Amino acid sequence: DIQMTQSPSSLSASVGDRVTITCQASQDITNYLNWYQQKPGKAPKLLIYDASNLETGVPSRFSGSGSGTDFTFTISSLQPEDIATYYCQQYGNPLPLTFGGGTKVEIK
Amino acid sequence: QVQLQESGPGLVKPSGTLSLICAVSGGSISKSNWWTWVRQPPGKGLEWIGEIYYSGSTNYNPSLRSRVTISVDKSKNQFSLKLNSVTAADTAVYYCARRGVIDDNWFDPWGQGTLVTVSS
Repeated sequence: DIQMTQSPSSLSASVGDRVTITCQASQDITNYLNWYQQKPGKAPKLLIYDASNLETGVPSRFSGSGSGTDFTFTISSLQPEDIATYYCQQYGNPLPLTFGGGTKVEIK
Repeated sequence: QVQLQESGPGLVKPSGTLSLICAVSGGSISKSNWWTWVRQPPGKGLEWIGEIYYSGSTNYNPSLRSRVTISVDKSKNQFSLKLNSVTAADTAVYYCARRGVIDDNWFDPWGQGTLVTVSS
């Protein structure tokens, strides 16, 4: 299996802060990486696909970068509505599809 | 646009079989997509269970392969999940989702999720 190591597992930041989450794959997955936001009691929501492409309708303060094994997800200016858990997910070969362990983002 | 809705028993006895259905609306299940199941134990992360193509081709997570069956019913525009020999470790919110085949290789949309508790 391709393991996805996501860090940190949780963070606390102030409104307006820049927030960065990293995801490291156990092998090269080129850009086969997606990022999701999950709010409590809700299904995950796609934010970023193919490592760096912003899903339609998602605010531009969210961004993603990286390729190969190292990926970064950034919120440029944290807003109160961004409180959620964020997950990376890879779709490289071979299966199974796997997720990172999640990063819980809270407001300081 | 495509919408997904899970349904099924919320309580299953240990050693029994968990059975869920995902109804697809707003589009045909016979389009070129993978129809997927993902689960999330309470307070934990996401785990991909497996998926089915409308033709019936399946992919399963090796960690669950021996206990999982995913099937599709094109006439009802739905797909289903069966997980047998369940234990408390299978207690989770179960989501169905669509995954594209070539250019849209991500999970979207998702169903709202359904909590299944394994308990006697």
